[in-house]
Amino acid sequence: NAGVTQTPKFQVLKTGQSMTLQCAQDMNHEYMSWYRQDPGMGLRLIHYSVGAGITDQGEVPNGYNVSRSTTEDFPLRLLSAAPSQTSVYFCASRVGTDYGYTFGSGTRLTVV
Amino acid sequence: SQQGEEDPQALSIQEGENATMNCSYKTSINNLQWYRQNSGRGLVHLILIRSNEREKHSGRLRVTLDTSKKSSSLLITASRAADTASYFCATDGSIQGAQKLVFGQGTRLTINP
Repeated sequence: NAGVTQTPKFQVLKTGQSMTLQCAQDMNHEYMSWYRQDPGMGLRLIHYSVGAGITDQGEVPNGYNVSRSTTEDFPLRLLSAAPSQTSVYFCASRVGTDYGYTFGSGTRLTVV
Repeated sequence: SQQGEEDPQALSIQEGENATMNCSYKTSINNLQWYRQNSGRGLVHLILIRSNEREKHSGRLRVTLDTSKKSSSLLITASRAADTASYFCATDGSIQGAQKLVFGQGTRLTINP
């Protein structure tokens, strides 16, 4: 099993550009989440999903969209990149409640 | 806003000593989890303790939970250099039937050889 795979690992965007961060898991997990981590801070929840076709907002959803058309994939779209979105983005999945999350290795995004 | 707050923010000890990190939270929870993050890497799940449990062990890790005080502690015994990492608590609460895992800001642990 590959676990949670995030692509790309690094990305530089210009302000105003859009892009999609990819996240895929092969563990048949229902729950998936996107977090961002900024220096000196913990992880902040952007969006999460409790199953295919079901998504909801976390703490910091503005500027991001998600969809969950399959159990395996949970892409995060940046609509119009801003320097404030410079961060490390982590995708995570778990089989259900009362279980821990498996994290991907992260995408380091810089917006210039 | 973040649910959990870890204390201390940074901790430096000698190899072989025990390390204790604390986490406080604000609202009711279903469970509380601890994660480790090595520099530049993703988070690794260490242990989960349910709201009806008071103590849990896993190898050199001991976690306690006091729901009346809304606090938890993580004890790492006989620390090793490889334990150097950031440690995060995360609370799992039920909101309108959905589950969100909310992280604290972490404790940076340094084990000195």
